[in-house]
Amino acid sequence: AQKVTQAQTEISVVEKEDVTLDCVYETRDTTYYLFWYKQPPSGELVFLIRRNSFDEQNEISGRYSWNFQKSTSSFNFTITASQVVDSAVYFCALRGLDGANSKLTFGKGITLSVRP
Amino acid sequence: IAGITQAPTSQILAAGRRMTLRCTQDMRHNAMYWYRQDLGLGLRLIHYSNTAGTTGKGEVPDGYSVSRANTDDFPLTLASAVPSQTSVYFCASSVTLDSNSPLHFGNGTRLTVT
Repeated sequence: AQKVTQAQTEISVVEKEDVTLDCVYETRDTTYYLFWYKQPPSGELVFLIRRNSFDEQNEISGRYSWNFQKSTSSFNFTITASQVVDSAVYFCALRGLDGANSKLTFGKGITLSVRP
Repeated sequence: IAGITQAPTSQILAAGRRMTLRCTQDMRHNAMYWYRQDLGLGLRLIHYSNTAGTTGKGEVPDGYSVSRANTDDFPLTLASAVPSQTSVYFCASSVTLDSNSPLHFGNGTRLTVT
């Protein structure tokens, strides 16, 4: 069975601080996909990024960056110069290739609070 | 705007009553899903559908049923609601069931079973 662990449950930072959200995953599949979703206070789930297991290049999108390290089974998410609008619950998720593993498995989420 | 519509937005339901949560998508996605979100547990898959006419069980299917009569609609039914089914329910869809296909979510239905 596959598993996603987000060990941090709540993080609080002051605006303009950098913050890293950790994600560690377990899977026996050699091909898999990792995702991050954002859930702002309004409640909807917003897709942020998808990364496949063969692509270990880090990705940057504005203030967001993702560090995929296959050797440590981690897919960490960094927000640079955080803003109040970044306050949300962030979920890391994993999809394997076949059968039950092809369903999206979520971590329990990290609640990020950015204070002015 | 293309997307997923869930109804109702919220509902208070007496235990033992039957309830159907509605989900409609207009993106012509083949795969659809129902998740429940509970504090401290994240999102857990209830049921899914690969394509119209087929459904499958997720991680927590007991007490729920689904149907997929057409591509667009994927209702979730609680035959006899119990308080442990108090949760926020999210419907989602993806182009296919393939693992590289990101899920798109509806805005959720907040259900309280008393």
